[in-house]
Amino acid sequence: DQQVKQNSPSLSVQEGRISILNCDYTNSMFDYFLWYKKYPAEGPTFLISISSIKDKNEDGRFTVFLNKSAKHLSLHIVPSQPGDSAVYFCAASAESGGSNYKLTFGKGTLLTVNP
Amino acid sequence: GAVVSQHPSRVICKSGTSVKIECRSLDFQATTMFWYRQFPKQSLMLMATSNEGSKATYEQGVEKDKFLINHASLTLSTLTVTSAHPEDSSFYICSAREGQQPQHFGDGTRLSIL
Repeated sequence: DQQVKQNSPSLSVQEGRISILNCDYTNSMFDYFLWYKKYPAEGPTFLISISSIKDKNEDGRFTVFLNKSAKHLSLHIVPSQPGDSAVYFCAASAESGGSNYKLTFGKGTLLTVNP
Repeated sequence: GAVVSQHPSRVICKSGTSVKIECRSLDFQATTMFWYRQFPKQSLMLMATSNEGSKATYEQGVEKDKFLINHASLTLSTLTVTSAHPEDSSFYICSAREGQQPQHFGDGTRLSIL
């Protein structure tokens, strides 16, 4: 039972354009969402997060949008740079449910930004 | 900031050997540490959660006698894979969290059991 789904295994975009990475979830108890970026042979690096009380959070080139009614979130990267090429993981947790902050991850999307 | 160091990065050993993996938070106090396992082309699967000074909480289906977790200090947690067999070969990765901050991950350990 995949509670966090990233349906696109890969995405290719041109440098300077917008990258949009999508994530869907099924557990209505999730109230905190994170995006991690992972290079080969390295651990995931925290990028940006959003609480369910918000519908948008922005940090530089990265913006995360949350649509609670659709149980959908997306990560926008603009403008995309070749150094953004990596695997992006969506993760979710039920912070207010006493779950000890456990994260449930999607399978990841490989983003390739072409020069 | 928020650096998590995990060692070793790669282990190759014979079946029946026990393997210890260390996870250290270098510049913060990790009130909670997590251990994950990742199979090829799969998501990170949480194995267990540990709070400093208390017993780890294991996820369903994870054998606690097989995967021993110790979180003796606010900066160190260890995972010991006891009597490892080829089916235990996988990528193991730890993360650490201070309070309500996001989890920060180590670089993982590739375990190969011959």
